[in-house]
Amino acid sequence: AQKITQTQPGMFVQEKEAVTLDCTYDTSDQSYGLFWYKQPSSGEMIFLIYQGSYDEQNATEGRYSLNFQKARKSANLVISASQLGDSAMYFCAMREGPGTASKLTFGTGTRLQVTL
Amino acid sequence: DAGITQSPRYKITETGRQVTLMCHQTWSHSYMFWYRQDLGHGLRLIYYSAAADITDKGEVPDGYVVSRSKTENFPLTLESATRSQTSVYFCASSLGRGRFYEQYFGPGTRLTVT
Repeated sequence: AQKITQTQPGMFVQEKEAVTLDCTYDTSDQSYGLFWYKQPSSGEMIFLIYQGSYDEQNATEGRYSLNFQKARKSANLVISASQLGDSAMYFCAMREGPGTASKLTFGTGTRLQVTL
Repeated sequence: DAGITQSPRYKITETGRQVTLMCHQTWSHSYMFWYRQDLGHGLRLIYYSAAADITDKGEVPDGYVVSRSKTENFPLTLESATRSQTSVYFCASSLGRGRFYEQYFGPGTRLTVT
């Protein structure tokens, strides 16, 4: 089974609107972390936001928030007030276990296109 | 603050040749990682290292060799390149502790095997 599933290969959103990018995960560990990375067309990987499995509140970083539903094993990224510069690939990733070998498992990504 | 660098940024090589991709970080991070990125697969872990002289396999290690004699360097070698190894390769590093265990990525190396 896929450990990280991103079911939306591509999404469109109008500028200034909010958009939700879906991510579901599969793990039997109690301690894990969920990450979102942005990859613009220039290719670099940019860390956006992190959610720990024991965090009671949803993570927020500026216009980014993570809608964490532990029972459903979902960690959706919400981008508010979309900007043209948000057009990029977005990857959800998971770190399993409490250990320090911080290996990440990535989903296949969602390409977001912000339109005028 | 140079961060994490990769060289070369672009490489074209022929099937059967040996090629080494370099990764260098200036943060003295304990952990370093190599990923490959392919359409439809996202990023997949090839090898990782917890410290100098400690390396371990990731999800797709076949055909690759790594070494880590110094904390700051983590070269990835394709001993006999194949067309299926055409990909974008990312190196990453992590402090390995703290709340996030966040990974910082290099700019990537685009490798084409002809």
